[in-house]
Amino acid sequence: QSALTQPRSVSGSPGQSVTISCTGTSSDVGGYNYVSWYQQHPGKAPKVMIYDVTKRPSGVPDRFSGSKSGNTASLTISGLQAEDEADYYCCSYGGSYWVFGGGTKLTVL
Amino acid sequence: EVQLVQSGAEVKKPGESLKISCKGSGYIFTNYWIGWVRQMPGKGLEWMGIIYPGDSDTRYSPSFRGQVTISADKSISTAYLQWSSLKASDTAMYYCARPDTLGRKDPFDTWGQGTMVTVSS
Repeated sequence: QSALTQPRSVSGSPGQSVTISCTGTSSDVGGYNYVSWYQQHPGKAPKVMIYDVTKRPSGVPDRFSGSKSGNTASLTISGLQAEDEADYYCCSYGGSYWVFGGGTKLTVL
Repeated sequence: EVQLVQSGAEVKKPGESLKISCKGSGYIFTNYWIGWVRQMPGKGLEWMGIIYPGDSDTRYSPSFRGQVTISADKSISTAYLQWSSLKASDTAMYYCARPDTLGRKDPFDTWGQGTMVTVSS
C-alpha cells in the first residue's frame, strides 16, 4: 500500500493560516471518515491534533481544524504560532489497516 | 495516569532476533487496542499493526505482514513487537501507542517514549 501524499513543506508567518493537504484514494481517505492528523516535534512522540476528519481532542487549540473533500483531506492551522513549527502527518483507515502520509514540515517564518 | 513504557534501545547484528516491549499502566490493559509505528531515521511515520490484548486479535499493514510479529501478554500488561531475523533496514525508532476511546483502533492518543533499534554489522 502507498503512503498518502502530502506536500513536503509549507510555511507561513505568525498570525497567518496554512493548509496542509493529504491525498489518498477511494480505498482510504475517500472511503472512510477516519482521517487523523498528528503533530511531531523533533525528538518527540507524535501527538494527535485531529481525528475522524474534523474532531479535535480535548486540549488541542481550535486554531487547528480538519476537512475532507473526495480523496483529499486537509489540516488548516489558523493564527500560526511559533510553537506550531513541526512535522505533520495525516493518517487514514484503509480497510483493515491504517496508512500514514509522508509528512509535511511546517516552518513558521 | 495512562502510560505506555517501552523497553530500552537495542543494538543488534543482521540476522539476530529481537523482541521489544511496551508495558501499559493506569488502565485495563485488555480493553484497549495497542499499535506499533515505525519511524526510520529522518523519515516519516509508518503504521505497522495493532493488537487487542483481550483476545489477541491482530491486524497488520500489508507492508509489515510477515516481517514482524505483534503479540501481547495480558498477565503482565505488555505488548511486544518481534523480529526473527533483523536486517539493516529495520534500523528505526519504534513507537507503541493506543487510542483513548474504548473499542476504537484509532486515533493514537497515548504514545510510548519510543525504542530505538539499530541493526549493524
